[in-house]
Amino acid sequence: AQSVTQPDIHITVSEGASLELRCNYSYGATPYLFWYVQSPGQGLQLLLKYFSGDTLVQGIKGFEAEFKRSQSSFNLRKPSVHWSDAAEYFCAVGSGGSYIPTFGRGTSLIVHP
Amino acid sequence: GAGVSQSPSNKVTEKGKDVELRCDPISGHTALYWYRQSLGQGLEFLIYFQGNSAPDKSGLPSDRFSAERTGGSVSTLTIQRTQQEDSAVYLCASSTTGMGQETQYFGPGTRLLVL
Repeated sequence: AQSVTQPDIHITVSEGASLELRCNYSYGATPYLFWYVQSPGQGLQLLLKYFSGDTLVQGIKGFEAEFKRSQSSFNLRKPSVHWSDAAEYFCAVGSGGSYIPTFGRGTSLIVHP
Repeated sequence: GAGVSQSPSNKVTEKGKDVELRCDPISGHTALYWYRQSLGQGLEFLIYFQGNSAPDKSGLPSDRFSAERTGGSVSTLTIQRTQQEDSAVYLCASSTTGMGQETQYFGPGTRLLVL
């Protein structure tokens, strides 16, 4: 069975600072990995995804993530955070054997001015 | 093009009443998912549709919950005899065929409050 862990429930950063949100997964084969963002009162929107090829993936809004098989991780990064990035971030894992992705519990990002 | 839409946006009901939540997926998407998001919790999978069939309904929390999809399009999630613990945001998502590497497109959700 696949699983996802987002160790940080809340992250607080200052505007302009760099950001890294952690995601660890458990799955036997190469997983499909996703990061979604949920702004207050909204549904989830895809930031980026990985399923093959280059392990450094670029997404929308200046985000990137790196797939590290040896660490079973898919951490999300942004070099300079903007106040509008304050939101809930979800990591998810999918597989070729299931139509149902597994979502992490989410990390709430708070941005201080 | 139009995204996933859900109605109503908000629903307040009394304990014991039945509610229906509607989801309109992106046109042509055969896969449709319902999730529940409780305060401070992640996404809880409820049910997955492929076309009008539900091959996986393992996440429905009790027999008070049911869902159907008609015409390979609109889906309705029904909660009978609502309880206070049913209060949550109910999210619907669709994807092209449901394959594991596909992006899910989410609606804005229905916020259900059971008094």
